[in-house]
Amino acid sequence: DTAVSQTPKYLVTQMGNDKSIKCEQNLGHDTMYWYKQDSKKFLKIMFSYNNKELIINETVPNRFSPKSPDKAHLNLHINSLELGDSAVYFCASSQKTGGTYEQYFGPGTRLTVT
Amino acid sequence: GEDVEQSLFLSVREGDSSVINCTYTDSSSTYLYWYKQEPGAGLQLLTYIFSNMDMKQDQRLTVLLNKKDKHLSLRIADTQTGDSAIYFCAEKAAGNKLTFGGGTRVLVKP
Repeated sequence: DTAVSQTPKYLVTQMGNDKSIKCEQNLGHDTMYWYKQDSKKFLKIMFSYNNKELIINETVPNRFSPKSPDKAHLNLHINSLELGDSAVYFCASSQKTGGTYEQYFGPGTRLTVT
Repeated sequence: GEDVEQSLFLSVREGDSSVINCTYTDSSSTYLYWYKQEPGAGLQLLTYIFSNMDMKQDQRLTVLLNKKDKHLSLRIADTQTGDSAIYFCAEKAAGNKLTFGGGTRVLVKP
């Protein structure tokens, strides 16, 4: 009965590789997000999709490409991985409820690029 | 512009109250949130407050909002060892975007 799930939980890969992280939510939410948390715990939004449409696209290298096949899924594909991409990536989802937009987070994917 | 700031660290004795502070700059923020992150875990929503409110209480948690000074605080009463975590405040700006503070690491000592 996991609300927001991500796979894999850990990802270790070499520079230059291409990798994907998957996210699924079973909350029936219409908006999903990707966040990056660096080693100092600073959390920054990368992308947001609403009903499969991209609505937030922060200053992120175009090596990062989100894909939303349906409302319940938002995947993150990263090309040509660099050392600086090492971080924890969090997926989140939200739905407007009574005017609020609480975001619910997945457990995170720790990406280590060597 | 948007910028959310928090103090880095707070140490508190078990049973005492903890107060975590946050300042934000976007006066158009409609909602402000507090999240808790335990080691190796994702962010857990603790509570939120609407910008036209001054205070919100939820069991051991009390949120105070001073909109004039753009200051938000989270008070945890009777702090327990399980409250040790990183606490993030966040403001909701346009487009459902949340801007997070840098997090306050709370250490509860027995």
